[in-house]
Amino acid sequence: GQNIDQPTEMTATEGAIVQINCTYQTSGFNGLFWYQQHAGEAPTFLSYNVLDGLEEKGRFSSFLSRSKGYSYLLLKELQMKDSASYLCAVMDSNYQLIWGAGTKLIIKP
Amino acid sequence: NAGVTQTPKFRVLKTGQSMTLLCAQDMNHEYMYWYRQDPGMGLRLIHYSVGEGTTAKGEVPDGYNVSRLKKQNFLLGLESAAPSQTSVYFCASSFMVEQETQYFGPGTRLLVL
Repeated sequence: GQNIDQPTEMTATEGAIVQINCTYQTSGFNGLFWYQQHAGEAPTFLSYNVLDGLEEKGRFSSFLSRSKGYSYLLLKELQMKDSASYLCAVMDSNYQLIWGAGTKLIIKP
Repeated sequence: NAGVTQTPKFRVLKTGQSMTLLCAQDMNHEYMYWYRQDPGMGLRLIHYSVGEGTTAKGEVPDGYNVSRLKKQNFLLGLESAAPSQTSVYFCASSFMVEQETQYFGPGTRLLVL
């Protein structure tokens, strides 16, 4: 079967750095996405990785290792508004997104 | 440019009732999707469409039907609602499918009693 694993919940301090991990086992791989979802709202796109390595976009970076079936999302200089759920999703061989259950990130002052 | 919109935002149904959820997008996207999101689970694909007049089953299609008569609209129907269909339903769209971001609507919260 296809499986995406990520921690259920993480807590971090405002101004700090946090890394959210995602491991996957899917039938085929056509890219990995990270989305942010604030409570009661729709998911919004953060990043996309299809090749190994690090993609940096402002305070957010995403890393991919296809051989290890592993990705992480790195959030720097955390702000209170970063409190949200972070969803990892892999596009499989049928170009369908397989979603993880999400990691709820709690930011404390 | 409204993006992706969904109606209604919230609905309560009794078991056995029917309803239709409407999704509309103004981005001229070819691909549209219906997902459900339940606590502790990832988004699950119900049905999707690769263009006007086409539909296909996703991971959890049972109990749902869809139609895409116009490119900008994607309708999700529940013919006979069951409590197991209590969920938050999200519609999404994308221009292509490969390497393409999906844009989500605000969601419809459905409670089936």
